[in-house]
Amino acid sequence: QQPVQSPQAVILREGEDAVINCSSSKALYSVHWYRQKHGEAPVFLMILLKGGEQKGHEKISASFNEKKQQSSLYLTASQLSYSGTYFCGTESNTGNQFYFGTGTSLTVIP
Amino acid sequence: KAGVTQTPRYLIKTRGQQVTLSCSPISGHRSVSWYQQTPGQGLQFLFEYFSETQRNKGNFPGRFSGRQFSNSRSEMNVSTLELGDSALYLCASSLAPTGGPYEQYFGPGTRLTVT
Repeated sequence: QQPVQSPQAVILREGEDAVINCSSSKALYSVHWYRQKHGEAPVFLMILLKGGEQKGHEKISASFNEKKQQSSLYLTASQLSYSGTYFCGTESNTGNQFYFGTGTSLTVIP
Repeated sequence: KAGVTQTPRYLIKTRGQQVTLSCSPISGHRSVSWYQQTPGQGLQFLFEYFSETQRNKGNFPGRFSGRQFSNSRSEMNVSTLELGDSALYLCASSLAPTGGPYEQYFGPGTRLTVT
């Protein structure tokens, strides 16, 4: 039931783009995205609800394809501050079940 | 507005002992979730409490238990500690039950080391 994220790890140079994918085996109602920097607690980025919407947050945006039970996080023109581990969290249509994904380690280098 | 607080921040225990961790959510938040984080395992869901009731439970043995008080503060207890219980334990609070349009706010975590 834990969603699977890909890639597991990615290294980027400043200014490059990245895509992080989150796939679930269950029909989804919502997808949440969080970022955790080393030694810190996870911090909320955005929520996408059933309906296939796309959201943006500065240069970080996400999409939600409920038919494919997938969400993707897009980071454009990456900055050093984007480094960290990204987690998706998914809630199934049946409710009452919320699980975080396996995590994607993203490192941005100068 | 004060954030989520967890006490203690660090703890060292011996195998076989038990431990109680505490979490105070953001004022007004009624949902508290607990997660275990170990290298390579991500955020493993332990349980969620909402209005003093356990709403969900993850796949952890019965040695892991929790409760929530009327002021929404929550405690989790691990009995008969094993070496594999060494981890960062995070709690997160939310206005409403986890999911939907409500984000979670995480505390700094309690680092438990079992020797």
